[in-house]
Amino acid sequence: DIQLTQSPSFLSASVGDRVTITCRASQGISSYLAWYQQKPGKAPKLLIYAASTLQSGVPSRFSGSGSGTEFTLTISSLQPEDFATYYCQQLNSYPLWYTFGQGTKLEIK
Amino acid sequence: EVQLVESGGGLVKPGGSLRLSCAASGFTFSSYSMNWVRQAPGKGLEWVSSISSSSSYIYYADSVKGRFTISRDNAKNSLYLQMNSLRAEDTAVYYCARGGGQLADYFDYWGQGTLVTVSS
Repeated sequence: DIQLTQSPSFLSASVGDRVTITCRASQGISSYLAWYQQKPGKAPKLLIYAASTLQSGVPSRFSGSGSGTEFTLTISSLQPEDFATYYCQQLNSYPLWYTFGQGTKLEIK
Repeated sequence: EVQLVESGGGLVKPGGSLRLSCAASGFTFSSYSMNWVRQAPGKGLEWVSSISSSSSYIYYADSVKGRFTISRDNAKNSLYLQMNSLRAEDTAVYYCARGGGQLADYFDYWGQGTLVTVSS
């Protein structure tokens, strides 16, 4: 099975900072990767899919890049509403299965 | 507006059964694959199961295979998860999530979740 490892697991940053979260796959997954944001007590929200495509309605300060085994989510200028936990997800189409990374909790410094 | 509303969670004893439902609205339900994802308290996300738009293709995570059954009723715009032989480790918030027009796709809308607690 493909494993996804996110780094760091915890990140402390300030409003206005540029932050980057990395997701590494245990084997190549092309660009079959998404990023989700989850706030406490809420459902996850899709931010980025196909590694770099911004989901409709998501602010342009969010961006994704990478392919193969290494991917990054970048927030160009942190806003107060961005403090949350972020998960990467890979999809394997045949047989179908999905794997999530363990999450990165982004906290206010 | 796309809405997904889960129901059916609750407290159940180990070995017991529970059926979750997800009522969909605001989109053509029969055109989309659907999924269940769970999250144990304080833990990360875990994919549970997926079903194609016409129910032709169904997949499960190894952790629930043989115990859980996903199904849908396109006439009722509803998704279901029948959970049997429940274990303590199945305790989680269960989310239904919309996929895409293809079976393998990302999850663009999620419900608010329903809590399942397995405990004696």
